[in-house]
Amino acid sequence: AQSVTQLGSHVSVSEGALVLLRCNYSSSVPPYLFWYVQYPNQGLQLLLKYTTGATLVKGINGFEAEFKKSETSFHLTKPSAHMSDAAEYFCAVTSMAGNQFYFGTGTSLTVIP
Amino acid sequence: ETGVTQSPTHLIKTRGQQVTLRCSSQSGHNTVSWYQQALGQGPQFIFQYYREEENGRGNFPPRFSGLQFPNYSSELNVNALELDDSALYLCAGTSGGAAETQYFGPGTRLLVL
Repeated sequence: AQSVTQLGSHVSVSEGALVLLRCNYSSSVPPYLFWYVQYPNQGLQLLLKYTTGATLVKGINGFEAEFKKSETSFHLTKPSAHMSDAAEYFCAVTSMAGNQFYFGTGTSLTVIP
Repeated sequence: ETGVTQSPTHLIKTRGQQVTLRCSSQSGHNTVSWYQQALGQGPQFIFQYYREEENGRGNFPPRFSGLQFPNYSSELNVNALELDDSALYLCAGTSGGAAETQYFGPGTRLLVL
């Protein structure tokens, strides 16, 4: 079975600072990888996804993530944090068949003015 | 706006009762997945339906069951409710395929007393 580990359940950054949220997965086969954001009392919204091709993936709101197979990682970054980035972020992986999904436990991002 | 709606938004039940949660997805979303998100946790995959058949299942007991209808709506049924079933239940629609984006509804918050 696959699993996803998000290091750091809470991350605080200053406004304008680099955002780095960590995600590692366990899988014997390169899976499809996703980052979702969840604002309070809302469902999940896709930030970006890696399926095939270029390992550096750009998403919405200035976020990007790099798939590193050798490190089994898919860390999320943003060069400059904005107050509106404060939310819960989830890394997820799906099987190649697409009928099993695994989410990490989430990282709560706080942006300090 | 994802085009996925869920009802009701909130629900209170007592232990041992049965509950039905509903999801309405966009036209073309022939695949729907259901998730349970406990407070402070990541979503846990319950099951997936594709063209009205269960297509994949997570580690949930048989008292969690579902239905999918031709009009892109679906139901999650939970029998013999337990206190630990208290959570946010999310549905997500997609046009199919592991690499496709899932569009999440806002969720139904269930409280079991």
